[in-house]
Amino acid sequence: DTAVSQTPKYLVTQMGNDKSIKCEQNLGHDTMYWYKQDSKKFLKIMFSYNNKELIINETVPNRFSPKSPDKAHLNLHINSLELGDSAVYFCASSRPGDTQYFGPGTRLTVL
Amino acid sequence: AQTVTQSQPEMSVQEAETVTLSCTYDTSENNYYLFWYKQPPSRQMILVIRQEAYKQQNATENRFSVNFQKAAKSFSLKISDSQLGDTAMYFCAFMTPPGGGSNYKLTFGKGTLLTVNP
Repeated sequence: DTAVSQTPKYLVTQMGNDKSIKCEQNLGHDTMYWYKQDSKKFLKIMFSYNNKELIINETVPNRFSPKSPDKAHLNLHINSLELGDSAVYFCASSRPGDTQYFGPGTRLTVL
Repeated sequence: AQTVTQSQPEMSVQEAETVTLSCTYDTSENNYYLFWYKQPPSRQMILVIRQEAYKQQNATENRFSVNFQKAAKSFSLKISDSQLGDTAMYFCAFMTPPGGGSNYKLTFGKGTLLTVNP
């Protein structure tokens, strides 16, 4: 029944490693997003995909690469992890221009 | 660029009382959407309420209501009969709808941490 799901919920890794976070939605939405919430709880858009096409890329380092294999999935791959990448990453989905529904978040800790 | 300001980093209220959280925003757009999201300690982002700028009537959802003042660019959230489960971080957010040029991204304020005391 989960509308927007993310795996894993927690991710602890060493600096320099490569990791992926997966997101799936069963709401039939065309648009999916990745947001980053920093240690001060500030939320900011990273990427947005509409019908598998990238429409927003908000000055995110090239080490971050989103991939949308189909409309229901948007994964986030991060290369060469840095300490500053530690944050909570939220996936969200919506109909284009409509209310966004969020996944449970993935807490990434880089040691 | 749109900005959203929440001037109250923290607030507290006694159970069963009413509390109002403030939000102001800056935009040159005429058509847009405003949201309040709630983030309890569980971390989940939960939609509380939504307001379309073209609607003059203030949105309400059970104990939650907004005071939308378009000319003043103000969008406050009123929580009536506060409950312990309302304890959470509350985020105000802005979005321009299709055709608005922002590609649907939500711009968030920095949040207000609300504590409901028994």
